[in-house]
This record gives sequence, C-alpha cells and structure tokens, in this order.
Amino acid sequence: DTEVTQTPKHLVMGMTNKKSLKCEQHMGHRAMYWYKQKAKKPPELMFVYSYEKLSINESVPSRFSPECPNSSLLNLHLHALQPEDSALYLCASSQGWGPNTEAFFGQGTRLTVV
Amino acid sequence: QKEVEQNSGPLSVPEGAIASLNCTYSDRGSQSFFWYRQYSGKSPELIMSIYSNGDKEDGRFTAQLNKASQYVSLLIRDSQPSDSATYLCAVNWGRGSTLGRLYFGRGTQLTVWP
Repeated sequence: DTEVTQTPKHLVMGMTNKKSLKCEQHMGHRAMYWYKQKAKKPPELMFVYSYEKLSINESVPSRFSPECPNSSLLNLHLHALQPEDSALYLCASSQGWGPNTEAFFGQGTRLTVV
Repeated sequence: QKEVEQNSGPLSVPEGAIASLNCTYSDRGSQSFFWYRQYSGKSPELIMSIYSNGDKEDGRFTAQLNKASQYVSLLIRDSQPSDSATYLCAVNWGRGSTLGRLYFGRGTQLTVWP
C-alpha cells in the first residue's frame, strides 16, 4: 500500500481567507513533503519534515505555514494568499530521506485563489 | 547548480512502438534516479527507480542508467494510448544539504496514437 491521502481535492479561497490542506499516510514513512506545481512545470519543493521536525524550508513565504502534528499527518496552513499562489499542492512521503528512497505522492489539492 | 534536463517533447509514437525518454543530470555524484508518470491534472505516480549502472526492467518499462555519461533513460515497450502522459525524471543527490530533495526535470510529454 503506497497511499498518501490529501484533502480537500479542490479548494477555492479568497485572499483574506484562512484555510488548511491536509495530508495523511499510514505507511510508517518518516519523511513528508509539500510540493507546489504550476501548470506545465515540474513540482517545486516547499517543505520537508523528517521525524516530525521541519528539516527543509525552501524560502517559502510565511503565508504558507506547515505543521506536522504526528508521524502520519501533515498540514499546510494558508493565510492571505495571492492569485499567483493558485497551483496544485502535492504532499509526498518516503520511508527515509537519504539516497535510494522512493517518494510517493498524494492526489494533490487544486487550489484557486480569487 | 543541480540540473536535470529532459526534452520537453512532445514525443509522439504509434501504438505498439517503443517510446524512448531521455534525461541528463549535472552532478556526477548523484545517487538515485526516478521516473514519474503524470497524467494531465493528476499527481505524479512513481513508475521506476534505479540506483546502479545498467538496465532495470519492470513489465513494459525499462530504466537504463549510465553514471559515467550522467544519463538515465526510460523505454516503454508496446506503447499504449494509456501511456500518453508527461514523464518526469527525478534525481536524488542523496548527500549533505541535498538530503531529502528530489530534483525534477521539466518532463517529456508523450502521446501514443492508435
């Protein structure tokens, strides 16, 4: 089972709203990731959590706030987003984070900021 | 600078043909290599991983790695219309500050016509 579950699948939010994206995996993976993907572009890494601690923040604006409540869950809190933040937000997980580690993606949340 | 290069395509092949997708990378010390398939509007799906020089076969898919030439490829035999998708090459440098990071190429769009 290589399932990573993301909710919601679609989200439309205004620039003054606060919303959260959720990601869950039950594979015992110890690394979880947030990626952002714009149309016809490759995924761009935003954050990496390893053993529930933030290990990589790719200089993401503070209007994106990640949270890892436990080893199975990963949230991305959104506040005061801009229309250019509209994208597919992808969660991924992997057993570790070293070499030879396969990462599996969830189905993504399609976010539209209006 | 960590770079992963792919021909963006589109690559168009007839049903039943072999599709050949290529990827080059900039760091000779790269550790592991992955191919993801992404259907339009969907999330990336891991289809192959390869860590050692040579060929790795899984069903109709064969990944080929040549670390001396810094080159990794994906062959799809007996191509089917359902193989039509964007194929993303990803590289894990697997050491130091790059631990936990997947570097993606821009993807090659493949169309298999009946």
